[in-house]
Amino acid sequence: LAKTTQPISMDSYEGQEVNITCSHNNIATNDYITWYQQFPSQGPRFIIQGYKTKVTNEVASLFIPADRKSSTLSLPRVSLSDTAVYYCLVKGDYKLSFGAGTTVTVRA
Amino acid sequence: NAGVMQNPRHLVRRRGQEARLRCSPMKGHSHVYWYRQLPEEGLKFMVYLQKENIIDESGMPKERFSAEFPKEGPSILRIQQVVRGDSAAYFCASSSEVENTEAFFGQGTRLTVV
Repeated sequence: LAKTTQPISMDSYEGQEVNITCSHNNIATNDYITWYQQFPSQGPRFIIQGYKTKVTNEVASLFIPADRKSSTLSLPRVSLSDTAVYYCLVKGDYKLSFGAGTTVTVRA
Repeated sequence: NAGVMQNPRHLVRRRGQEARLRCSPMKGHSHVYWYRQLPEEGLKFMVYLQKENIIDESGMPKERFSAEFPKEGPSILRIQQVVRGDSAAYFCASSSEVENTEAFFGQGTRLTVV
């Protein structure tokens, strides 16, 4: 399983864009990059998944460079309710391996 | 379409008792995964099951822990003779058979061993 590295924590203010970069240097050819969000006392919630270039949905964008050794999750115009832990995962098969995640704190 | 349902949400057991955690996957999902989360840590994979089969239990302790996903009914994670170190949040996720689709998580069962 490819190991991922992401910052432990990030602080932001309401209305700002938050970008979280994840490193996955030994990603395999058939691996996808997946991001989950987790609030306290709740299960992780799927945010976005991509293989290469850029993916966008109603919640976030995911940027993946050509070498796929890193990826960046972009949360536009965050609000207080976006305060959560964000996990970057490399998914080659069924097994999702969660690291410590990035704790994003949004302040007013 | 209801999401992944776990029950109970909270479970308190005395040391030495048995804990049974239930997970009903989303409708149409035949793949179930169990994860354990200790406070301030990420989720740790425990076991992956398809209907009536254990596919991968590499993350599950060999002693006292077992899991099943019968043809009918929910998936069960069973912990026998619980110890204080078993106290954690246990999450279940399910997915469909389509490759690279996302897994949906339940709200978890918080087990406290006293």
